[in-house]
Amino acid sequence: KQEVTQIPAALSVPEGENLVLNCSFTDSAIYNLQWFRQDPGKGLTSLLLIQSSQREQTSGRLNASLDKSSGRSTLYIAASQPGDSATYLCAVNTGNQFYFGTGTSLTVIP
Amino acid sequence: KAGVTQTPRYLIKTRGQQVTLSCSPISGHRSVSWYQQTPGQGLQFLFEYFSETQRNKGNFPGRFSGRQFSNSRSEMNVSTLELGDSALYLCASRGVNTEAFFGQGTRLTVV
Repeated sequence: KQEVTQIPAALSVPEGENLVLNCSFTDSAIYNLQWFRQDPGKGLTSLLLIQSSQREQTSGRLNASLDKSSGRSTLYIAASQPGDSATYLCAVNTGNQFYFGTGTSLTVIP
Repeated sequence: KAGVTQTPRYLIKTRGQQVTLSCSPISGHRSVSWYQQTPGQGLQFLFEYFSETQRNKGNFPGRFSGRQFSNSRSEMNVSTLELGDSALYLCASRGVNTEAFFGQGTRLTVV
């Protein structure tokens, strides 16, 4: 069974810092990997989708990488802002379903 | 275009009752998946429907069921509610490129 782990569980940084969130998964047989953010009590907002054949994707200040063979993905956030404060979740798509990590709770301090 | 719409947003039910949640996917998306989110277990997969057929199912008891209509709208039903069913229920729709888009969820509280 696919297991997804996110490290760290929580992160607090001052505004303006660059940061990296980590996601690891146990089975490299994936279709794609997707990063989401979730604000308290809300649904999930899609940030980036990386297909299994891709190495990275970029959207604005966000960059996600994927190393399928080692079972790792990172989400890089440049020049963090207080509005980036949220929980970030990675989800691995095996074709049958998404397996989610438990998330990284990010707080950006003004 | 409109996103994924879930109704109702909040529900309070009593143990033993049943509940039906609704999800309208993004126009053109034929895949709808349901997830349960709790503080202790995180996000767990319930089931996926594609073109009115259940394609995949997670490890939940038979009290949890669903269906999908010809317009791709989906409903999830939970019978004989238990306190442990209190959770945020999220649905996601996917198109051909498999990117998932989630609704705002239905917060179910069982008392």
